[in-house]
Order: sequence, then structure tokens, then C-alpha cells
Amino acid sequence: SQELEQSPQSLIVQEGKNLTINCTSSKTLYGLYWYKQKYGEGLIFLMMLQKGGEEKSHEKITAKLDEKKQQSSLHITASQPSHAGIYLCGQGAQKLVFGQGTRLTINP
Amino acid sequence: DTGVSQNPRHKITKRGQNVTFRCDPISEHNRLYWYRQTLGQGPEFLTYFQNEAQLEKSRLLSDRFSAERPKGSFSTLEIQRTEQGDSAMYLCASTGGSTVNTEAFFGQGTRLTVV
Repeated sequence: SQELEQSPQSLIVQEGKNLTINCTSSKTLYGLYWYKQKYGEGLIFLMMLQKGGEEKSHEKITAKLDEKKQQSSLHITASQPSHAGIYLCGQGAQKLVFGQGTRLTINP
Repeated sequence: DTGVSQNPRHKITKRGQNVTFRCDPISEHNRLYWYRQTLGQGPEFLTYFQNEAQLEKSRLLSDRFSAERPKGSFSTLEIQRTEQGDSAMYLCASTGGSTVNTEAFFGQGTRLTVV
């Protein structure tokens, strides 16, 4: 089984709608990274969360870390076509272990 | 461009051939990582270097795989006697500083297709 499980695995939303992606760990979370990947390209760093209850925002993307639940969520407000891609959560002090990714499609 | 650079971007090779990929990390970064990503999955760790020392190798890294970072700068990943199962995106990342929990910067990847 995966150390990090992401849900949903794929998501199709209409432009302008809000959405949430979840990442659940089977181990205690000491730090959680969110990356975005366009198809066939490398990963782009979005945010890093280190403390329980921590919440960070970048433009219309907000991520939270719930250490007790061993879970992080990524929320996008008023989605735009530029938000389309694969969102990956990862954890680790040195090497990163990633979830399987959530593929986000934005319909106009 | 001061980001992580990987070459080539795409490689098509026949089964049984050897291939070598190169990664140039961000210049001041002392840690360099290799990951492999197959379709529909997240990247999987292969190996990492701190300066020129290879500190960890994944069980995924069979004997046909070897990585080097001879001068603590660029790194190469070689796959010998390629198999169709080696087809994947190979990603390189680098991080800097002595502290842990710093974000890793990824290259654009090398997509390998073994035919």
C-alpha cells in the first residue's frame, strides 16, 4: 500500500469552481510538500508545511496540514485553466516519497 | 537559466542498449536526487548524492543502473541492457544547504522509451 494516498485520483471541474485535493499519510507527518506537474514536464514546488495546523497560501491555492489526522489538503479557489495539471504531495526529510498524484482538468 | 537542467529531454532506444542521462543541478546545491516516474504514478526515489558521495540507493535500482557525481557537480545515470520496463520519466532534483526539509527543485526530466 502507498505511504501517501491522494484523493481523488482525478478531478474535472468547471472553470471558476472551488476544489479540494487530499493527501493522507500512513505515517506521522513531519513535513509535507505540494508540487504541481504539467504533463511530460518536471515538478514545480508549490508549498511546504511543517507544523500541525499550519496553513499557507499562494495566489488562489491554500494548503493545510493536520498532523493528528496525518493529512494535508490543497484547496483551489475560483479555478482557472492555468490550474490544470497533476498535483503531487510528498513527504520526507531527505528523499521524498510521493503520492500517486491527482490529475486536475478545468473545463471552460 | 539557473534551474536544474536534464539532458536529453527524450530518448528512444532499442531493448538491450545502454543509455546515459545527465543532470546539472543548481550550482550551489550539494544534494542531488534521481527519481523515476511511470505513467499515472508519483515519482519514486532511486538514489541521492551529497556532494560526490552516493548516500542512498533504492531497492528499485537494479544492478543495471548506476549513478555518478564525480566532482560533486553534475550527475549521470546510466542504464545498461535496457528493458521495456525501464520506459519511464527520469527526474533529477537538487537541494541546498545543511538543513533538512528544504524544497527540492526538479529538472524537466528525461523521458525514456525502450522499444
